[in-house]
Amino acid sequence: DAGVIQSPRHEVTEMGQEVTLRCKPISGHNSLFWYRQTMMRGLELLIYFNNNVPIDDSGMPEDRFSAKMPNASFSTLKIQPSEPRDSAVYFCASTPTSGANTGELFFGEGSRLTVL
Amino acid sequence: AQTVTQSQPEMSVQEAETVTLSCTYDTSESNYYLFWYKQPPSRQMILVIRQEAYKQQNATENRFSVNFQKAAKSFSLKISDSQLGDTAMYFCAFRHNNNDMRFGAGTRLTVKP
Repeated sequence: DAGVIQSPRHEVTEMGQEVTLRCKPISGHNSLFWYRQTMMRGLELLIYFNNNVPIDDSGMPEDRFSAKMPNASFSTLKIQPSEPRDSAVYFCASTPTSGANTGELFFGEGSRLTVL
Repeated sequence: AQTVTQSQPEMSVQEAETVTLSCTYDTSESNYYLFWYKQPPSRQMILVIRQEAYKQQNATENRFSVNFQKAAKSFSLKISDSQLGDTAMYFCAFRHNNNDMRFGAGTRLTVKP
């Protein structure tokens, strides 16, 4: 079975440019999470969705960040305009909320963003 | 709010030896999940072991086992017969119901030949 799929795996951009990160959750999983990982702050939750509805976006740093989940199989995290301090690895994770729910999150391979 | 604390930023162990990584957490909930994830240099987050708080028996997965002390809110990971491939960052994590997962700061483990 395919796991969580993220793209791109690596992105290098210049300050001020728009960045869009993409995620396809595991089929049948109805919860989706976006985390950011940095050396200084570790793994931080940015936002999570249940059944495509945002539940908690309190971790989204500021208005430059936005996330959408237009359907059960796709989510985007957009940064506009990007800044050097946004450089990090961004992880998407998914999990079911019922049935085979064992509590664990299934992570994608992450998108490493570098903003110059 | 739930918090997870890993007090050992770095640890090392000789190949074939045993090492224990510490984790404490804070919560007012009575039922929850605890996890240990491994992150090798490839950066993939890999589940090592899971513990449900209502189960008194400590979880075991091959060479990996936990010591779950619910009253003390402690959840340590023991790795037996350490292998070079165990070298990685290890994250302790907490999750209640269908909420988000909270992570500790991580422990960098190096297994030496």
